[in-house]
Amino acid sequence: SQQGEEDPQALSIQEGENATMNCSYKTSINNLQWYRQNSGRGLVHLILIRSNEREKHSGRLRVTLDTSKKSSSLLITASRAADTASYFCATALMNYGGSQGNLIFGKGTKLSVKP
Amino acid sequence: GAGVSQSPSNKVTEKGKDVELRCDPISGHTALYWYRQRLGQGLEFLIYFQGNSAPDKSGLPSDRFSAERTGESVSTLTIQRTQQEDSAVYLCASSLALGFSANTEAFFGQGTRLTVV
Repeated sequence: SQQGEEDPQALSIQEGENATMNCSYKTSINNLQWYRQNSGRGLVHLILIRSNEREKHSGRLRVTLDTSKKSSSLLITASRAADTASYFCATALMNYGGSQGNLIFGKGTKLSVKP
Repeated sequence: GAGVSQSPSNKVTEKGKDVELRCDPISGHTALYWYRQRLGQGLEFLIYFQGNSAPDKSGLPSDRFSAERTGESVSTLTIQRTQQEDSAVYLCASSLALGFSANTEAFFGQGTRLTVV
């Protein structure tokens, strides 16, 4: 069953605007990761936030994590047409003993950035 | 190679035939994942291998699906008696995920596009 659920399912913005995508999950996690997918093939890792972290930055990306609400958000600032892609959150479950377990993906947000 | 390699890239098969999909993970990666992605949909978890532990097969949709992995190397996903509903892209990923509090990203292959006609 799906662990993460992204919101919105689709987002269309103009170049230069910010894009915010949200992810909710159900069970305890080791970390939460965001991935990007172009053209329905391989995914590329964007950023990882650990369960004891609240915010993380990488270039134009900002990720927040609220473990009390079991939710995360991905903000892309000053968007570009090249950011057009599908974005997925993935929750890394925790194995017995604390190691990283299985990686479960949500359904994704399809972002369209218009020039 | 440096990345995760999947073969074949595309596969067209007749309904009822068996197919075998292959995944070569990054050398040294202990964790290997298989996912299915139907057109325009999210990633559906199929099976997860972690080192020498018993695999998590909870995502396999039916007993027509099976997967094997020898040690920490190649994995094969087998679909028996294929159905049209099996048409999808099958994605494989690997990661270094062993150890307490390990937090590592997954590296994906380009997938195998399976079409059942």
